[in-house]
Amino acid sequence: DVKVTQSSRYLVKRTGEKVFLECVQDMDHENMFWYRQDPGLGLRLIYFSYDVKMKEKGDIPEGYSVSREKKERFSLILESASTNQTSMYLCASSLQLLAGDKNIQYFGAGTRLSVL
Amino acid sequence: QKEVEQNSGPLSVPEGAIASLNCTYSDRGSQSFFWYRQYSGKSPELIMFIYSNGDKEDGRFTAQLNKASQYVSLLIRDSQPSDSATYLCAVSSTGNQFYFGTGTSLTVIP
Repeated sequence: DVKVTQSSRYLVKRTGEKVFLECVQDMDHENMFWYRQDPGLGLRLIYFSYDVKMKEKGDIPEGYSVSREKKERFSLILESASTNQTSMYLCASSLQLLAGDKNIQYFGAGTRLSVL
Repeated sequence: QKEVEQNSGPLSVPEGAIASLNCTYSDRGSQSFFWYRQYSGKSPELIMFIYSNGDKEDGRFTAQLNKASQYVSLLIRDSQPSDSATYLCAVSSTGNQFYFGTGTSLTVIP
């Protein structure tokens, strides 16, 4: 079974703090993704990575950065947390980007972040 | 126009009935289609994927794909209260972009 592990289930931070969200997958997947999910807005892609040290902006990259130094680990960084970044953050991974069963995305349990 | 559209619901069905969830997509070149189930406060989990026109069955779940109409649906037979969740439709389109709908909330009434 694919396992995607996010380091924290719940996180409370203060405005202006630098926040790190960590995600690790154990299936040697090429691709990793960071989403945020808000009521009524669905899943929105923040960043994704298709290889070590490679990253692509998603739909809402502003205020975020990412790091992928090792294939299994993808970190999301909030440089200076703001209250509008309070959300559920979901990490996902997939074997390939090409369409078919190999681009199924598998999700971690999620991190519910509150910025006060 | 959104890439993937779903009726947000809520959809309520009695226990034992068939629940029908629908999804339309805009990119005619889309190739792979997925249904995820998400319980409240949890992350999405894959329940079905399909990439050929027609039906695909897995237990009580049937995914139906009609590429000409750009339409994909999920049928849940013999609905159970444990099926109460939000169902997300996802589409892998040309350029290998992956798009999610906003989800349909399903409640199965005992």
